Amino acid sequence: EAGVTQFPSHSVIEKGQTVTLRCDPISGHDNLYWYRRVMGKEIKFLLHFVKESKQDESGMPNNRFLAERTGGTYSTLKVQPAELEDSGVYFCASSRRDRGNEQFFGPGTRLTVL
Amino acid sequence: AQKVTQAQTEISVVEKEDVTLDCVYETRDTTYYLFWYKQPPSGELVFLIRRNSFDEQNEISGRYSWNFQKSTSSFNFTITASQVVDSAVYFCALAAGNNRKLIWGLGTSLAVNP
Repeated sequence: EAGVTQFPSHSVIEKGQTVTLRCDPISGHDNLYWYRRVMGKEIKFLLHFVKESKQDESGMPNNRFLAERTGGTYSTLKVQPAELEDSGVYFCASSRRDRGNEQFFGPGTRLTVL
Repeated sequence: AQKVTQAQTEISVVEKEDVTLDCVYETRDTTYYLFWYKQPPSGELVFLIRRNSFDEQNEISGRYSWNFQKSTSSFNFTITASQVVDSAVYFCALAAGNNRKLIWGLGTSLAVNP
């Protein structure tokens, strides 16, 4: 069974540009989560999808961040326009509907905003 | 407030030593889950264990063991006879109440030297 995959693995952009991160969860996992780790700080929750619906988006930092999960499969996280403080590692995780807490993580996307 | 504290930022040991990684948590919820994840140099977060608040039994898995003590709000992780391949950053995390989102500690970087 394939694990959670994320694309790209690294992205370097300039302030003001737009970047879209993609996450493909484990097949059959209804729950999909986005987290972010800014250097030197703890990993922080961004949002949680159940299928295509946003269950909890309390961690989204501001309206420059837009997450979608059309069709309840893969998800995208777009940052527009990117700011310097958006730099960090963005992790995606997925879990089964009946084991929501057992989250399996992807390798992360390292975003650098210059 | 919910919080996870990993007071040890970095630990360095010599191969075959035993090492304990500390994790202290805070939550007012009576139902919660505690987790440990491993982040090897490759960057992905690898799930190690989940423990719910009603199960205080200690767990052993090979060289890994976990000591959950509600009285001290701690969920410590011990690696017995450490090996170089154990070198990684280890994260403790908490999910409380009906929340699926994980609250993370800052992580402990473990270096096992030959």
